[in-house]
Amino acid sequence: DVKVTQSSRYLVKRTGEKVFLECVQDMDHENMFWYRQDPGLGLRLIYFSYDVKMKEKGDIPEGYSVSREKKERFSLILESASTNQTSMYLCASTHSARGEKLFFGSGTQLSVL
Amino acid sequence: DQQVKQNSPSLSVQEGRISILNCDYTNSMFDYFLWYKKYPAEGPTFLISISSIKDKNEDGRFTVFLNKSAKHLSLHIVPSQPGDSAVYFCAGHSGGGADGLTFGKGTHLIIQP
Repeated sequence: DVKVTQSSRYLVKRTGEKVFLECVQDMDHENMFWYRQDPGLGLRLIYFSYDVKMKEKGDIPEGYSVSREKKERFSLILESASTNQTSMYLCASTHSARGEKLFFGSGTQLSVL
Repeated sequence: DQQVKQNSPSLSVQEGRISILNCDYTNSMFDYFLWYKKYPAEGPTFLISISSIKDKNEDGRFTVFLNKSAKHLSLHIVPSQPGDSAVYFCAGHSGGGADGLTFGKGTHLIIQP
């Protein structure tokens, strides 16, 4: 069964902390994504990656960076966490170049106090 | 600019009846559309898709209809079951890559016994 695993289900951090959200997929997918989901705002794309070492900004990249050193792992980094980054973070991957059938992880609910 | 609109934040339907979830879009460049289903504390899962050159796609109890002239699509679930209670996201795809998905804000479907 295909799997996208996010390292933490819940995370509580303080303002100004550096935060790492980890995501691993076991499907050998080239494409990986980070979204955030907020009530009333749906899913918004933060960053994505088509290949190892490659990264592209999504719709809301400000305050975030990413790292993809290995094909199966895609990390989201909050350089200096702020309260407006409190959100549900969802990692996804797909083999499809057209983005069909994204496979999502279970999400990380991040609270920044 | 909200390119994909799901105007009903929630919808309540009796078990066994038809559920109709609606989605409007403004981007004429969308080449296909997808529906995702999300349970609490889980990531979204792919449900069904439709190409912009088709007007209907059916998969078991789920049918998606596309009206290009009205820029409107709908997801029909017949018959509705308790396990269908979830948040449903509509998404449109444009551009050549997997990053081209634009999601709506979601509709929370509640199936009442």
